[in-house]
Amino acid sequence: NAGVTQTPKFQVLKTGQSMTLQCAQDMNHEYMSWYRQDPGMGLRLIHYSVGAGITDQGEVPNGYNVSRSTTEDFPLRLLSAAPSQTSVYFCASSRLGRGTYEQYFGPGTRLTVT
Amino acid sequence: QQQVKQSPQSLIVQKGGIPIINCAYENTAFDYFPWYQQFPGKGPALLIAIRPDVSEKKEGRFTISFNKSAKQFSLHIMDSQPGDSATYFCAARDMSIQGAQKLVFGQGTRLTINP
Repeated sequence: NAGVTQTPKFQVLKTGQSMTLQCAQDMNHEYMSWYRQDPGMGLRLIHYSVGAGITDQGEVPNGYNVSRSTTEDFPLRLLSAAPSQTSVYFCASSRLGRGTYEQYFGPGTRLTVT
Repeated sequence: QQQVKQSPQSLIVQKGGIPIINCAYENTAFDYFPWYQQFPGKGPALLIAIRPDVSEKKEGRFTISFNKSAKQFSLHIMDSQPGDSATYFCAARDMSIQGAQKLVFGQGTRLTINP
């Protein structure tokens, strides 16, 4: 199993450009989520999904869109990049339910917006 | 508003010492408290976790102490080693959305263990 994969690893964008960060998992997990990591802020939830066709906003959703057309994939779209979106982005997945299920994180995408 | 507050921001300990990282929370709906370890250039990975009906959990050299009445929990690393140098995050799970494993993270602690 590859676990959670993310592409690209690094990306530089100019202000106003759009792009999609890719995330895929091969563990058949229902729950997937996107976090951004900034120094001194920990990881903050952007969007999450509890299954194909179902997404919802997290703590910091502005400027980002998501969709979930399959169980495996959960792309994150930046509509019009801003310098404030410079960050490291992590995708994570886990089983769904009331049990204490581990969240598995991908290796991250480091994004710089100039 | 940071729902989970973590301290210290950074910590330097000599090999063999016992680093302690503290976290505090306000939301009584949190029902599960994991700790994640992150090495440079990698994603976080689950280290150890505890439920609020337990006051202590040990896994190897790592121990979580949990004080439900004070809404505080902490990570202790016994006999710390240079290989434990990493960033540590506490987290709390918000089960307000049924079945969703929504985690709220602390700010992180950069731990350095000197040889």
